[in-house]
Amino acid sequence: DVVMTQTPPSLSVAIGQSVSISCKSSQSLVYSDGKTYLHWLLQSSGRSPKRLIYQVSNLDSGVPDRFSGTGSQKDFTLKISRVEAKDLGVYYCAQTTHFPLTFGSGTKLEIK
Amino acid sequence: EVQLVESGGGLVQPGRSLKLSCAASGFTFSNYGMHWIRQAPTKGLEWVASISPSGGSTYYRDSVKGRFTISRDNAKSTLYLQMDSLRSEDTATYYCATEGTGLAYWGQGTLVTVSS
Repeated sequence: DVVMTQTPPSLSVAIGQSVSISCKSSQSLVYSDGKTYLHWLLQSSGRSPKRLIYQVSNLDSGVPDRFSGTGSQKDFTLKISRVEAKDLGVYYCAQTTHFPLTFGSGTKLEIK
Repeated sequence: EVQLVESGGGLVQPGRSLKLSCAASGFTFSNYGMHWIRQAPTKGLEWVASISPSGGSTYYRDSVKGRFTISRDNAKSTLYLQMDSLRSEDTATYYCATEGTGLAYWGQGTLVTVSS
């Protein structure tokens, strides 16, 4: 199974600051079609997960450009610029390149 | 607007069965692979099973193989998860999610509690 190592487990940040979350996979996430199926999800308290970024760097509709995703092969980063109060929740990376699908353990973003 | 609505969860005794449903709307259901993903209380996300758009291919995590069956009815735009021989460790909120570009849409989840 592909192990997704996500760090840090939690972040406490002031409004307006920027943060980065790291996600490292135990195998390359490049699929045979050349695409990399690494995605970022946000789960706000009491809600179901919502995808923010797909295939490393593509923002979903309605997601502000304060969010950005970078990386390749086995090393990926989610960056949130100018954090707002509505950004709080748990962020997960997820890979759908290989079965079984696997997820990072989550990063809880709290607002100072 | 894409909507996924899960149902069928509840309290069930160990060893018994339960069947979850996920009603889809707002997209062409038959064009998309689908997943079941679960989340135990206060825990992270765990993939359970997947099915191809036609239903011809299915995939399961090892811990549910032989006990769970994923299926779909494209005419009804509905995804199913038949869960047999339930165990306490299957207690979780179960979400259905679309494939496509990768876990694009999620339902609100349905809670399954396995307890005597």
